[in-house]
Amino acid sequence: GESVGLHLPTLSVQEGDNSIINCAYSNSASDYFIWYKQESGKGPQFIIDIRSNMDKRQGQRVTVLLNKTVKHLSLQIAATQPGDSAVYFCAESGQRNTGKLIFGQGTTLQVKP
Amino acid sequence: EAGVVQSPRYKIIEKKQPVAFWCNPISGHNTLYWYLQNLGQGPELLIRYENEEAVDDSQLPKDRFSAERLKGVDSTLKIQPAELGDSAVYLCASSLTSGEQYFGPGTRLTVT
Repeated sequence: GESVGLHLPTLSVQEGDNSIINCAYSNSASDYFIWYKQESGKGPQFIIDIRSNMDKRQGQRVTVLLNKTVKHLSLQIAATQPGDSAVYFCAESGQRNTGKLIFGQGTTLQVKP
Repeated sequence: EAGVVQSPRYKIIEKKQPVAFWCNPISGHNTLYWYLQNLGQGPELLIRYENEEAVDDSQLPKDRFSAERLKGVDSTLKIQPAELGDSAVYLCASSLTSGEQYFGPGTRLTVT
């Protein structure tokens, strides 16, 4: 079956440093990937997405890298801030328009001041 | 613009009791999703609606769970009877067709 997982349950970084959160997926047919941020007591919030025909996509302070050869996805956060502290989930969808997302287990990012 | 609204935010019930959750999606969003999120886990899809039609309910435990989306706007998710293992956060999300999903804050259910 399909599964999406993250390498580390918790990541602790110093404020101002860069953060890298990793995710491995098992379905080589996955077409679309999304990173979500979830703060305590809130629902997941969309951060950035990438389609399988791309290797890299940049947003504001965030970059997603996709390595289809090893089925690996990463989220890079530049100049990490205390407000970035949250649980981060990667999710994959077979096709973007199916709306069916499979989420990984999540990585907790802790930012130390 | 208001986001996805869910109520109640918290619910504590005894096992075997019924419970219902309500969701109001973002105005104009035709697609509505219900997810289950266990502690420390990612959300898992229970059911997806396109307007009034449930187009994917394969993960919904139909012996005790039911959902409806009358008039293609608000939706209700019901559990009857609730079991201890149903304790979790129930998330509602909405989107335009093939669009980004916006999540509500969720309802935290505790079954005692």
